[in-house]
Amino acid sequence: EVQLVESGGNLVQPGGSLRLSCVASGVTLSRYWMHWVRQAPGKGLVWVSRINSDGSSKIYADSVKGRFSISRDNAKNTMYLQMNSLRAEDTAIYYCSGGYKYYYMDVWGKGTTVTVSS
Amino acid sequence: KFTLTQPHSVSESPGKTVTISCTRSGGNIANNYVQWYQQRPGSSPTTVIYEDDQRPSGVPDRFSGSIDSSSNSASLTISGLKAEDEADYYCQSHDTSWVFGGGTRVTVL
Repeated sequence: EVQLVESGGNLVQPGGSLRLSCVASGVTLSRYWMHWVRQAPGKGLVWVSRINSDGSSKIYADSVKGRFSISRDNAKNTMYLQMNSLRAEDTAIYYCSGGYKYYYMDVWGKGTTVTVSS
Repeated sequence: KFTLTQPHSVSESPGKTVTISCTRSGGNIANNYVQWYQQRPGSSPTTVIYEDDQRPSGVPDRFSGSIDSSSNSASLTISGLKAEDEADYYCQSHDTSWVFGGGTRVTVL
C-alpha cells in the first residue's frame, strides 16, 4: 500500500520559515510526479507546487512564487517544501500528493498544519 | 490561466441521483483531463474519477464522470446516493498550472 506522510508543520510568526517533509512508503518515489496542495481552515483545495519525477522541473502557484521552494531526494523517498517569508494567508493544512501521471494526484497524505500568527 | 466553477452545494435523498457540474473558464475543457476528488470531513482527499471518466479500483460504479464540450464543463454523477457519499467534491484540471474547483458540498437528506 502506498502511503505519504507529511511532517514539519508548526506555529510560526509572520516572516518566518518552515520546511515541510513528505516521506513515501510502498512506492519508489522516483516514479512519481509530486505536488503540494493546501487547504485553509474551512476553505477549498488550492494547488501550491509541482515537481517532476527527477526533480529537474518545478512549478509554483503565483501566490507562493519566490517564497516557497519544492525539492525531492529520491534516495530518501522524500519530498520537501521550504517555506520562507510566511504570511498569515499561508495558514493551512498542507497535503503532499502524487502519482504516475503528471496531471493528477493519485495518492494523498493526511496533511500537516501550518499556522502563521504572531 | 483558467478557473473551474462548481455549485456550492447540492442535496438529495438516499437512493436518488445527484450531478455536480464543473465549468471551465479560459481554455477548452476537452484539452486537459478532469479529475474528481472526494473529501469527507476531517479526512484528506481521495480520487473518485480520473482522466474525465475513469474510476480507480475500489470506487463504486455509482460514480461516473463525463465531459460536455458544448458547455465547456465536466460533470460528476453519483447514483443510488448513500449516506457515506456525504462529502465535499472537487474537480481538478491543468494547463501550465494545476487548478481545483471551489468544491461542492453533497448533503444526503
